[in-house]
Amino acid sequence: KAGVTQTPRYLIKTRGQQVTLSCSPISGHRSVSWYQQTPGQGLQFLFEYFSETQRNKGNFPGRFSGRQFSNSRSEMNVSTLELGDSALYLCASSLARQTNTEAFFGQGTRLTVV
Amino acid sequence: AQKVTQAQTEISVVEKEDVTLDCVYETRDTTYYLFWYKQPPSGELVFLIRRNSFDEQNEISGRYSWNFQKSTSSFNFTITASQVVDSAVYFCALSEARTGANSKLTFGKGITLSVRP
Repeated sequence: KAGVTQTPRYLIKTRGQQVTLSCSPISGHRSVSWYQQTPGQGLQFLFEYFSETQRNKGNFPGRFSGRQFSNSRSEMNVSTLELGDSALYLCASSLARQTNTEAFFGQGTRLTVV
Repeated sequence: AQKVTQAQTEISVVEKEDVTLDCVYETRDTTYYLFWYKQPPSGELVFLIRRNSFDEQNEISGRYSWNFQKSTSSFNFTITASQVVDSAVYFCALSEARTGANSKLTFGKGITLSVRP
């Protein structure tokens, strides 16, 4: 069974640009969550999508957005990139929001903003 | 607001030593979930355990054991007879039932465990 796949694995962007990251959840999983990991702030929740609807949102500016497609694949977009957006972005998928199953994480996309 | 504190930042032990990773949490909810994840150098978070707030039974899985004490809001993780492969960053996390058991996890800052041969 394939795990959570995040693409690309590495990305270098310039300040002011925008970026789109992709996450393909485990087959059958309908919930996808995104997290940002930085040395200073640690792991922080960005948002969660379930059945193409955003269900939860963290405390990030509107430059961070996401969406989920009918096949449960999710994308997150960061516009007007800032140096502080450099981070490892992790995606997690789970079968459903309340079932007794765990969330599986991908290997992440490491974004560097220069 | 919920909070997870992992006071230890780095721990170094020699192989075969036992090591305990501490986790203290804060939440106002009565129904919540606690997690431990391991992050090896490759970057992905590997799930180790999830406990709900109504289950205070300690759990043992091979060399791993967890001690959940609601009275002290702690969920500590012990590795017995540590091995070099246990070297990683370990995160404790908390979620609240009202936002979804697997959603909106609040993570601690992580503990870097180094196991020397």
